[in-house]
Amino acid sequence: GENVEQHPSTLSVQEGDSAVIKCTYSDSASNYFPWYKQELGKRPQLIIDIRSNVGEKKDQRIAVTLNKTAKHFSLHITETQPEDSAVYFCAASGGHNYGQNFVFGPGTRLSVLP
Amino acid sequence: NAGVTQTPKFQVLKTGQSMTLQCAQDMNHEYMSWYRQDPGMGLRLIHYSVGAGITDQGEVPNGYNVSRSTTEDFPLRLLSAAPSQTSVYFCASSYGDGSSYEQYFGPGTRLTVT
Repeated sequence: GENVEQHPSTLSVQEGDSAVIKCTYSDSASNYFPWYKQELGKRPQLIIDIRSNVGEKKDQRIAVTLNKTAKHFSLHITETQPEDSAVYFCAASGGHNYGQNFVFGPGTRLSVLP
Repeated sequence: NAGVTQTPKFQVLKTGQSMTLQCAQDMNHEYMSWYRQDPGMGLRLIHYSVGAGITDQGEVPNGYNVSRSTTEDFPLRLLSAAPSQTSVYFCASSYGDGSSYEQYFGPGTRLTVT
């Protein structure tokens, strides 16, 4: 089955700097890759996603890149702000239950220091 | 819209007891899922459903049952609670029509098994 690894497990950056979180997946049939943000004590919320027919997607300060050949995808946050502090999860989905059967990475705790 | 609702918010069970975690959504979503979240392990899929009457196992289904008799409701049953089932449980739903696979999470149920 699918296996998703995520690095680093914790990341501290100064406010205004960029943050990069990387994920790798094992199943070449996976073709949908979302990123979720979870603030302390709250539910996960989707921040950006990418499908396998696209190499990069951007939404304001957030971008995701996908390399299908190498089976890895990354989240990039620019001009970080204290409210970006949270746990970020990547996930992969594919196969006959595409868009439903998700495997999540273990998460990255991002701290943005003022 | 209330979105995705879960009850109860907190629950303490003794080993061997059974209970049902309730999940409901009012967005007419076809897809619904149950996840458990343990520290350092991300979100792991327990069971999911792609429509009323259709369910399938996820990554960690043992010890849990589900059914989907209506589009709105997707209860999760713990058959005989064990301390290893101590976790935070999230229900999620999504459209499943191909336009978006964003999962909307409920607020979670924190379960402790003693």
